[in-house]
Amino acid sequence: AQKITQTQPGMFVQEKEAVTLDCTYDTSDQSYGLFWYKQPSSGEMIFLIYQGSYDEQNATEGRYSLNFQKARKSANLVISASQLGDSAMYFCAMREVVHTGGFKTIFGAGTRLFVKA
Amino acid sequence: DTGVSQNPRHKITKRGQNVTFRCDPISEHNRLYWYRQTLGQGPEFLTYFQNEAQLEKSRLLSDRFSAERPKGSFSTLEIQRTEQGDSAMYLCASSHMDRGTGSPLHFGNGTRLTVT
Repeated sequence: AQKITQTQPGMFVQEKEAVTLDCTYDTSDQSYGLFWYKQPSSGEMIFLIYQGSYDEQNATEGRYSLNFQKARKSANLVISASQLGDSAMYFCAMREVVHTGGFKTIFGAGTRLFVKA
Repeated sequence: DTGVSQNPRHKITKRGQNVTFRCDPISEHNRLYWYRQTLGQGPEFLTYFQNEAQLEKSRLLSDRFSAERPKGSFSTLEIQRTEQGDSAMYLCASSHMDRGTGSPLHFGNGTRLTVT
């Protein structure tokens, strides 16, 4: 069963505008972490923002904010004031505790963001 | 913090050959992960080490795949009897406990495997 769903394969946004990338997740755990990563065309994966399942406030990190709606199991990424350098693949990810006591982070299929000048 | 290092960057091999990749994590990180990523897809979890112990292994991982992390430092991922379907980018990541930032994964640049 797919645990991280990103329904937008591709998104376009005008430079300087805000954009929301959708992410829904599925877990029966009470304790989990949600992450967003950026992967430019150069290939490296870059951590953007984190939200813990017990955090009551939405996470923010510069121009990135995470719209966390726990009851709906959604963790949308909002990028404000888009820049050309924001053009990249964006992955939503969830970290769960596994039965061995360790951790496992699983990723969605990603959304490719295109920023237009 | 010199980052996660992976070698080689590229590997071309013939079907049926064995290949081994190496990952050197960030030195103070005790957790190490291997992922596989195919074009246009998200990283697929393969296995996870905490120190030298392999705590989780994907059920998708066939017995042709094996990973080690001797002494809890660098790790190797070996693929035996490679198949064309093994062609992918193999990513290594490391992390350490940091409740403030959620212990995000720090990724290497990957090893791109092409099986001909």
